[in-house]
Amino acid sequence: QVQLQESGPGLVKPSETLSLTCAVSGGSVSSGSHFWSWIRQPPGKGLEWIGYIYSSGNTNYNPSLKSRLTISLDTSKNQFSLKVRSVTAADTAVYYCARDNGDGYNLAYWGQGTLVTVSS
Amino acid sequence: SSELTQDPAVSVALGQTVRITCQGDSLRSYSTSWYQQKPGQVPILVIYDKTIRPSGIPDRFSGSSSGNTASLTIAGAQAEDEADYYCNSRDSSGNHFVFGSGTKVTVL
Repeated sequence: QVQLQESGPGLVKPSETLSLTCAVSGGSVSSGSHFWSWIRQPPGKGLEWIGYIYSSGNTNYNPSLKSRLTISLDTSKNQFSLKVRSVTAADTAVYYCARDNGDGYNLAYWGQGTLVTVSS
Repeated sequence: SSELTQDPAVSVALGQTVRITCQGDSLRSYSTSWYQQKPGQVPILVIYDKTIRPSGIPDRFSGSSSGNTASLTIAGAQAEDEADYYCNSRDSSGNHFVFGSGTKVTVL
């Protein structure tokens, strides 16, 4: 059973870079054909798709965030990461990492989520 | 605003049937998945490929699709079904993914 766990700073200053890591257990980020995804949810609001990195290394980003995003794989540590540059208060959210079920883009496995607050 | 439109809230009497809809032009061409999120919890996949129910999801949950509208139906709603429900599919370009705006289901 795949398990995902997000980690990273809970507080980031405006204009700085938000960096999160998703540690994967019960499976390898370098095997199979999977979508390693990030989703966020501002407090009291709905889910927002951020993007994913496919097992091949190809990425797909939300167009509204693309200019500030980088999602990468670290096969040596069996994890994947998210970087959001030039953050503002609007980037305050619970950030989830997730993986598909192997049968299309269906997010069957989710981390517990981590709250990131952007504030000075 | 989301490219996938959902009613903000619906209510259903205990044991009755409720249908949650998701509208968007991309749904004519691409499959839809549905997620249940209870307060303070992680979203759970309840339907994918429009109609497929993952193992462990009660059979009172079903999905369907017609034209630009995908639907999630809960037949015989239970108190534990009270949650926010989100649809997910590709955006109008077909190149990216998007979540619907979410529907809050209240079981009376």
